[in-house]
Amino acid sequence: GAGVSQSPSNKVTEKGKDVELRCDPISGHTALYWYRQSLGQGLEFLIYFQGNSAPDKSGLPSDRFSAERTGGSVSTLTIQRTQQEDSAVYLCASSTSNQPQHFGDGTRLSIL
Amino acid sequence: AQSVTQLDSHVSVSEGTPVLLRCNYSSSYSPSLFWYVQHPNKGLQLLLKYTSAATLVKGINGFEAEFKKSETSFHLTKPSAHMSDAAEYFCVVSATSGTYKYIFGTGTRLKVLA
Repeated sequence: GAGVSQSPSNKVTEKGKDVELRCDPISGHTALYWYRQSLGQGLEFLIYFQGNSAPDKSGLPSDRFSAERTGGSVSTLTIQRTQQEDSAVYLCASSTSNQPQHFGDGTRLSIL
Repeated sequence: AQSVTQLDSHVSVSEGTPVLLRCNYSSSYSPSLFWYVQHPNKGLQLLLKYTSAATLVKGINGFEAEFKKSETSFHLTKPSAHMSDAAEYFCVVSATSGTYKYIFGTGTRLKVLA
C-alpha cells in the first residue's frame, strides 16, 4: 500500500525566502510527526499531531517554524525567512495508536 | 528522562560475518525500543520493535535484538552480513509508553566489505 509521501523531495532556496514542505501520511494514521535530520545534530523531533488534539510544538527551534495539519490528514511545515542553518533533511512520519512510526523519504532542504 | 546511546558511530564487517550494533538506553520506566535502518537518500525503515513482550525480538532481513534490562541494552545482531545491509542504523526509545516522540540514537554506519 501507499506509504508516507513527502514533497518536494529536494528544495533549494535563497536565504530569507519562505519554504513549505508537505507530508501526506498513510491513510487512517491519526498521528503525524515532523523531524529534522542534520549533520552534527542527528535526528530531532519538531512537532507532533494526534487527531484533533492540540499539537505538541515543543521541538520547533524558533518562531520561524510552524506546521499545520488540515482535516486530520495532510500536513505542511513552513519555515519563514530561511537561514543557512535550516539546511537539513526534514522527515515526516505517521502512525496509529501504539504502533511504530512509518517514515517518508524526506525533503532535502538546501539554503544558499 | 529517556535517552539512548549507540556505542559505535561506524562498524565494518566482511560479507558473511556476524553483525553487532550496540545500543544502551536509559528510561525511568519500561521503554519501547526500536531499530530503524536508513539507506542513502531514503527515509527510515523499521527493522524491529520491543514493547515488553518477548525479550528476543526478531525483525526483517534476518536481524534480531535482545532486550536486557539488567544491562539496559538492546543490541542489534545478524548472523551473516550481506552487501545490501550497508546503511545507517538508528536505535530509538519512545518518550512515553506509546509511540509518541521518539528519542533517536546518533546512528551507526555499517560498512560491509566484499
